Amino acid sequence: GENVEQHPSTLSVQEGDSAVIKCTYSDSASNYFPWYKQELGKRPQLIIDIRSNVGEKKDQRIAVTLNKTAKHFSLHITETQPEDSAVYFCAARARTPGYSTLTFGKGTMLLVSP
Amino acid sequence: NAGVTQTPKFQVLKTGQSMTLQCAQDMNHEYMSWYRQDPGMGLRLIHYSVGAGITDQGEVPNGYNVSRSTTEDFPLRLLSAAPSQTSVYFCASRGQTGELFFGEGSRLTVL
Repeated sequence: GENVEQHPSTLSVQEGDSAVIKCTYSDSASNYFPWYKQELGKRPQLIIDIRSNVGEKKDQRIAVTLNKTAKHFSLHITETQPEDSAVYFCAARARTPGYSTLTFGKGTMLLVSP
Repeated sequence: NAGVTQTPKFQVLKTGQSMTLQCAQDMNHEYMSWYRQDPGMGLRLIHYSVGAGITDQGEVPNGYNVSRSTTEDFPLRLLSAAPSQTSVYFCASRGQTGELFFGEGSRLTVL
């Protein structure tokens, strides 16, 4: 099955700095890569996703890049703010003849200090 | 639209007891799933369903049962609770775009 590795496990930045979280996946058939944000005590929520036919996608201060050859994808947050503090999960979903499921990384706790 | 609703939010069980975590969604999603979240382990898939009457195992299915009699409901049953099942459980349904919509979570402690 799919295996998703996520780094770093914790990341501390100053407000206004950029933050980068990296993930690698094992199944070359994976074609959908979402990122979820989970604030303390809350449910995970989708913040951005990318499909394998696209190399980069941006949404305001967040962007995701995908390198299919190297099988890795990254989340970039610019001009970080204290409200960006949360746990971020990457995930990958493989294309299968039947139904496919999401495999998540272990998460990155991002702390943005004012 | 309530989205995905899970009950109970908190539960304490003794080893060997059984219980059911309820999950309901009102978005008419065919795909529903259960994840458990443990510190440092991310979200691990327990069971999933692609429609009424169809269920399948995920990464960590042992000790859990599911059924899907309707599109709306997807309960998770713990047959004989063990301390290793202490976790936060999330139910999620999947929309047409692939986005997972999570419930608020159920925190379970097994003593």
